[in-house]
Amino acid sequence: EVQLVESGGDLVQPGRSLRLSCTTSGFTFGDYSMNWVRQAPGKGLEWVGFIRGEAYGGTPEYAASVKGRFSISRDDSKNIAYLQMNGLKIDDTAVYYCTRLIGASGTPYFDYWGQGALVTVSS
Amino acid sequence: SYELTQPPSVSVSPRQTASITCSAENLGQKYVSWYHQKPGQSPVLVIYQDAKRPSGIPERFAGSNSGNTATLTISGTQAMDEGDYYCQAWDGPTSAVFGGGTKLTVL
Repeated sequence: EVQLVESGGDLVQPGRSLRLSCTTSGFTFGDYSMNWVRQAPGKGLEWVGFIRGEAYGGTPEYAASVKGRFSISRDDSKNIAYLQMNGLKIDDTAVYYCTRLIGASGTPYFDYWGQGALVTVSS
Repeated sequence: SYELTQPPSVSVSPRQTASITCSAENLGQKYVSWYHQKPGQSPVLVIYQDAKRPSGIPERFAGSNSGNTATLTISGTQAMDEGDYYCQAWDGPTSAVFGGGTKLTVL
């Protein structure tokens, strides 16, 4: 059974940093790209970014709204994806979902989602 | 930037057919996925690559995509189908986009 479990959500002050983890099981982690999506309270889904599997270079891509502040990484030996968030802003307050990304270029989709981790940015 | 437009809300009577649209320029040239989110829960994939259903998704869920509009159709809508539905596509190979979401109410 595929499982994605986010952890690390917390209340942080503006300007501070936080790292979320996505611990996975039930599939060959290294074969997949991993992705992050966030949802502000009462709002819709917003794509954050993804990291390719090592076979495709292990490189990340980011939404314009977080580029330069957030970074995505992965540890294939531990089956974990990370979302490092620096310079947090109040508008970054959201539930952050880890998802698996499946499919070839141009046709990928998010087939499994974690339960989400709440990040609250407030002074 | 590429934007996907969905109606904020759709209402349907039980056992009737609900249609939720997602519009954008030349959307028919892209693949669209649909996600269903119930209150307090994580989204669930219900349609991918325009019209394919993941394992475990009932046959009453169907998708289509042509021209500027993708449509999610739910036949024989049930109370359990209530919630928010989001369409999603890719603006190029490195940037995903979600629609604003549609709240489906089964009256």
